[in-house]
Amino acid sequence: DAGVIQSPRHEVTEMGQEVTLRCKPISGHDYLFWYRQTMMRGLELLIYFNNNVPIDDSGMPEDRFSAKMPNASFSTLKIQPSEPRDSAVYFCASSFRAGGNYGYTFGSGTRLTVV
Amino acid sequence: TQLLEQSPQFLSIQEGENLTVYCNSSSVFSSLQWYRQEPGEGPVLLVTVVTGGEVKKLKRLTFQFGDARKDSSLHITAAQPGDTGLYLCAVPLHAGGTSYGKLTFGQGTILTVHP
Repeated sequence: DAGVIQSPRHEVTEMGQEVTLRCKPISGHDYLFWYRQTMMRGLELLIYFNNNVPIDDSGMPEDRFSAKMPNASFSTLKIQPSEPRDSAVYFCASSFRAGGNYGYTFGSGTRLTVV
Repeated sequence: TQLLEQSPQFLSIQEGENLTVYCNSSSVFSSLQWYRQEPGEGPVLLVTVVTGGEVKKLKRLTFQFGDARKDSSLHITAAQPGDTGLYLCAVPLHAGGTSYGKLTFGQGTILTVHP
């Protein structure tokens, strides 16, 4: 298995531009999570899906952030418009069971820099 | 206030030394996980502990879950440069009455092992 695949690995964009991050979870995993990691705040859960349905988006910072999962093999996280404070590493993770005794498999992340 | 407090935040040691890092909370958890994250990569699951007092070993790494399931420790014997990374503990937060949970992470311990 190729693991969780995220693209792009690095993204540099100007303030105000739209940014789309992509994730392909592990086949058979029915939970998908988007996290953001910064030095100040550590790993923060933004949103997660179960069977392609958003379950909890309470971590999404504001309306500029949106996430979709149109099918079991693809998810996107979109920021529009982007701001410098959105600069962080964004991780996607998948699991065949949320939390509990089953760990997440993380992708390698997308490092976003908004200038 | 962080749900999980990890200590120390930073640890710099020489190859061959032993070390222990801690993950503490005032809450009781059904399970606890440890992850290691290397620079430029996502966290990788090391172990899940479930039972109070449980001890698990992974080569030179020994993990222990506190008797009251509120805390955990990770001990590394004869540390090697390959052990360098960010060590994160994580716990599932289950919504009342449901079977799903989302992982909440501690801030982590950054370990550097010098040759």
